[in-house]
Amino acid sequence: EPEVTQTPSHQVTQMGQEVILRCVPISNHLYFYWYRQILGQKVEFLVSFYNNEISEKSEIFDDQFSVERPDGSNFTLKIRSTKLEDSAMYFCASSEGVMVTLTGELFFGEGSRLTVL
Amino acid sequence: AQKVTQAQTEISVVEKEDVTLDCVYETRDTTYYLFWYKQPPSGELVFLIRRNSFDEQNEISGRYSWNFQKSTSSFNFTITASQVVDSAVYFCALSEPAMDTGRRALTFGSGTRLQVQP
Repeated sequence: EPEVTQTPSHQVTQMGQEVILRCVPISNHLYFYWYRQILGQKVEFLVSFYNNEISEKSEIFDDQFSVERPDGSNFTLKIRSTKLEDSAMYFCASSEGVMVTLTGELFFGEGSRLTVL
Repeated sequence: AQKVTQAQTEISVVEKEDVTLDCVYETRDTTYYLFWYKQPPSGELVFLIRRNSFDEQNEISGRYSWNFQKSTSSFNFTITASQVVDSAVYFCALSEPAMDTGRRALTFGSGTRLQVQP
């Protein structure tokens, strides 16, 4: 069964360092997302990406964050200068579907745990 | 704005008991989608069900069943004859369609931690 894969599974970094989290969405999917979950809390939306541009972003997704689809398979989340409060599990997700009538389920990766020291 | 409330923070049951996880949502749209996800201790998010707002039929899948009530804006999840492997955090989520991109992001509830004791 196709799946969303994320790397690394766990990254430890120093505050102020740049981090790139990588995701390979399911190959025929058109919509890509990043969510995060601070330990013990709810899953929060960060950003959605469609047709090579950001389609929606939350208040959390400030100028320190960026996303990119550098080639046909990868979807990356970059945090420019990490803060302690960026420590969380970051989930990539993808879904297929067409405009307006989209009803497809969201497939999540297994997550990348980021620890900022 | 959309909102999902899971009032039960933690539930503990003994194996073979039935358990219902509550989910109440708020949305201004008439078209929306509701989801349940399971997060086992390993951390991944496992899709359980998707339901659109036009389909109020209850659904049963093995030991799992879902009760969608538009009148009370609830989408409750029942596990029958619970097992230790059901121990996880369960999230209810809501999504509304967007005319431009087809979908708005999922809004998750805060989750209910289910502990099934042997």
